[in-house]
Amino acid sequence: GDSVTQMEGPVTLSEEAFLTINCTYTATGYPSLFWYVQYPGEGLQLLLKATKADDKGSNKGFEATYRKETTSFHLEKGSVQVSDSAVYFCALRGLRYSTLTFGKGTMLLVSP
Amino acid sequence: ETGVTQSPTHLIKTRGQQVTLRCSSQSGHNTVSWYQQALGQGPQFIFQYYREEENGRGNFPPRFSGLQFPNYSSELNVNALELDDSALYLCASSFDRGATEAFFGQGTRLTVV
Repeated sequence: GDSVTQMEGPVTLSEEAFLTINCTYTATGYPSLFWYVQYPGEGLQLLLKATKADDKGSNKGFEATYRKETTSFHLEKGSVQVSDSAVYFCALRGLRYSTLTFGKGTMLLVSP
Repeated sequence: ETGVTQSPTHLIKTRGQQVTLRCSSQSGHNTVSWYQQALGQGPQFIFQYYREEENGRGNFPPRFSGLQFPNYSSELNVNALELDDSALYLCASSFDRGATEAFFGQGTRLTVV
């Protein structure tokens, strides 16, 4: 079945540092890929998405490129802020309509 | 703001009881999915409703059931609550069952004691 593996956290960075959170997936066919963010005590917010190979999703300085050859969708940001502290989830939408398979999440902690 | 609202935001139930959680989908959306997020884990798909019919189900026992109403709002019912049912329950609505994006509500935090 479909699965998503992402790096374990917490990832601890200083403000303005470069961020990478790794995500790889296993799926039948060509899934759509997503990054969601969850702030403490809140639900999930869509951060970015990519629907086909080599697509780059971007939003609020975050980027991720859909790499079919390595089945990866790593999240990057050039300069993190304290306000980026949250849990980040990589997810895929496979063949089943609109249902999402999530990774376990990676907590990001950014200090001033 | 996604336009998806869930109620209640928190509740505490005793083992063996039954609970009903509610979700109002975003305007124009006919598909609702429910997810369970245990502490420290990613959300797990429970089931999906499309135009009032169940359209898919994850690996959850039958004591997890649902409904979707003509206005596309939805309920999640859990019978015979167990301690492991303690989790954040998330509702997500989509424009259609084939839509790429799902929009999540804030969730209901259920604690079973």
